[in-house]
Amino acid sequence: NAGVMQNPRHLVRRRGQEARLRCSPVKGHSHVYWYRQLPEEGLKFMVYLQKENIIDESGMPKERFSAEFPKEGPSILRIQQVVRGDSAAYFCASSPRSGENTEAFFGQGTRLTVV
Amino acid sequence: AQKITQTQPGMFVQEKEAVTLDCTYDTSDPSYGLFWYKQPSSGEMIFLIYQGSYDQQNATEGRYSLNFQKARKSANLVISASQLGDSAMYFCAMREGRAAGNKLTFGGGTRVLVKP
Repeated sequence: NAGVMQNPRHLVRRRGQEARLRCSPVKGHSHVYWYRQLPEEGLKFMVYLQKENIIDESGMPKERFSAEFPKEGPSILRIQQVVRGDSAAYFCASSPRSGENTEAFFGQGTRLTVV
Repeated sequence: AQKITQTQPGMFVQEKEAVTLDCTYDTSDPSYGLFWYKQPSSGEMIFLIYQGSYDQQNATEGRYSLNFQKARKSANLVISASQLGDSAMYFCAMREGRAAGNKLTFGGGTRVLVKP
């Protein structure tokens, strides 16, 4: 009965390195959503994926950021050549469908620190 | 224009008293959903309550209730009988449209501090 699982909980990267954030949705959920939270701000939508498809990436920065949700395994948010401004908490949510969901459960987040 | 506005950056409330957190929204879509979340200092996002745009009654979940005023486009959260553990950031969020799933737009949040 696990909820949305994200790992790692904390990630430290030096400028220029790559960061990989993983999200395992609730069992049976085929839709995943990634959000970013800067300090003292609300969450900002980044990308919405269904298995093997990107549905909406309107919130993703055009460069260095990519996301995937393969047929098997967790969803991955990948940040290449990280910069200090990428330091934030990254949250993932999942849903069983794309409709009018009445619940939206988030993982515990990954806190990325770029030094 | 901001889609979700939370005008109270921070509030103090006395333990055992009720507190109302304001949230106004802006959408032209007739089908939308409104969510409230609690984020304690540990950082996780805890889902509290949901209100659909077509729901006739205000949502309630234990000590949480949502004062939904559709004409005013407001969805205020009421926490009754505040407890020390209610001290946290609270976020209002909106889903627009029928196919948006869990794509949400968040407000800037309100920090609540419950005093003993």
